[in-house]
Amino acid sequence: DVKVTQSSRYLVKRTGEKVFLECVQDMDHENMFWYRQDPGLGLRLIYFSYDVKMKEKGDIPEGYSVSREKKERFSLILESASTNQTSMYLCASKDPPPVDEQYFGPGTRLTVT
Amino acid sequence: GEDVEQSLFLSVREGDSSVINCTYTDSSSTYLYWYKQEPGAGLQLLTYIFSNMDMKQDQRLTVLLNKKDKHLSLRIADTQTGDSAIYFCAESTMAGNTPLVFGKGTRLSVIA
Repeated sequence: DVKVTQSSRYLVKRTGEKVFLECVQDMDHENMFWYRQDPGLGLRLIYFSYDVKMKEKGDIPEGYSVSREKKERFSLILESASTNQTSMYLCASKDPPPVDEQYFGPGTRLTVT
Repeated sequence: GEDVEQSLFLSVREGDSSVINCTYTDSSSTYLYWYKQEPGAGLQLLTYIFSNMDMKQDQRLTVLLNKKDKHLSLRIADTQTGDSAIYFCAESTMAGNTPLVFGKGTRLSVIA
């Protein structure tokens, strides 16, 4: 079974703190993704990566950065957390075409106070 | 650009059938997916259908695809309280390394 794990299920941080969210997959996938999920807005793509050290902006990259130093690990960084970044963060990795299935981690619920 | 639309809420009685609908805009979609998200959890793949098929059945789940109208539906027979969740429709265009395009999700509530 593909496993995508995220470093924390729940996180509480203060405004202005630097926050690291870690994601690890064990299926040697090249493609990895970070989403945030908010009620009524569905999943919004923040960043994705298709190879080590490669990254692409998604729909809402502002206020975030990412790091992909190793194939299995994709980190999301909030340089200076703000209250509007309180959300559920979901990491995913993806099979190559043709099936293209995305596998999701359990999510990290981040609260910024 | 690509867009996937679904209604946000559906409420059904236990034992009835549920039908969750989705429309998509990209005619080059190759695979279409249904994901389920239970409260506090990530998304799990329920089923998928290749674009050259019009129906796929898997136990209580039936997926219907109308490629002409770009309409996808998920029918859950004999809906149970454990089916209460958010259901996401998603499409893949096989355009290189791009992510799947997800709808906003339909929250299914099952009334006992």
